[in-house]
Amino acid sequence: AQSVSQHNHHVILSEAASLELGCNYSYGGTVNLFWYVQYPGQHLQLLLKYFSGDPLVKGIKGFEAEFIKSKFSFNLRKPSVQWSDTAEYFCAVILDRGSTLGRLYFGRGTQLTVWP
Amino acid sequence: SAVISQKPSRDICQRGTSLTIQCQVDSQVTMMFWYRQQPGQSLTLIATANQGSEATYESGFVIDKFPISRPNLTFSTLTVSNMSPEDSSIYLCSAVDRGLENEQFFGPGTRLTVL
Repeated sequence: AQSVSQHNHHVILSEAASLELGCNYSYGGTVNLFWYVQYPGQHLQLLLKYFSGDPLVKGIKGFEAEFIKSKFSFNLRKPSVQWSDTAEYFCAVILDRGSTLGRLYFGRGTQLTVWP
Repeated sequence: SAVISQKPSRDICQRGTSLTIQCQVDSQVTMMFWYRQQPGQSLTLIATANQGSEATYESGFVIDKFPISRPNLTFSTLTVSNMSPEDSSIYLCSAVDRGLENEQFFGPGTRLTVL
């Protein structure tokens, strides 16, 4: 069965600290990869996505993620977090884009708390 | 991007009753989906809402429990039937925008509590 694993369930950082959230998936075929964010009281928003090409993708608000195919990973990074980054972060994957268009499989989510 | 609204935003229901959740998109979209997010867990895809035909359900979800309609390209409903406390969850509607392949937009969710 396919699955998406997020290693950290809750991360607590101080402002200006660097962030890396882990995401691994278990599927040997073609994937599209996403990171979504859910700020308190708001709906899910797309942070960034990877379809093909440069494995280092940049998203909104200074976030970036690197796709490492050999490690089945798509870790999210930000060099310096802000209090406003406090939110829940979800890694998600679409498998074999042509046959499963739109069917997202989500990781469990990581709650990030940033202290001012 | 597509803007998605859901009604109701939350509800408290009695065991054995049914609730229909509405999802409205402000533009025509290629595909619509329904997800469930149970307390402390991730989002789980329930089904793909197909326009003009029966929904496509994921493993573990059946039409009798979660009937879905999609009469046109901007609207869908999900009914949670014969509810039990285990159905307490957040139900989210999402849509894939025509022209933005695989980029999925989400509604605000409906928080359902079953007593």
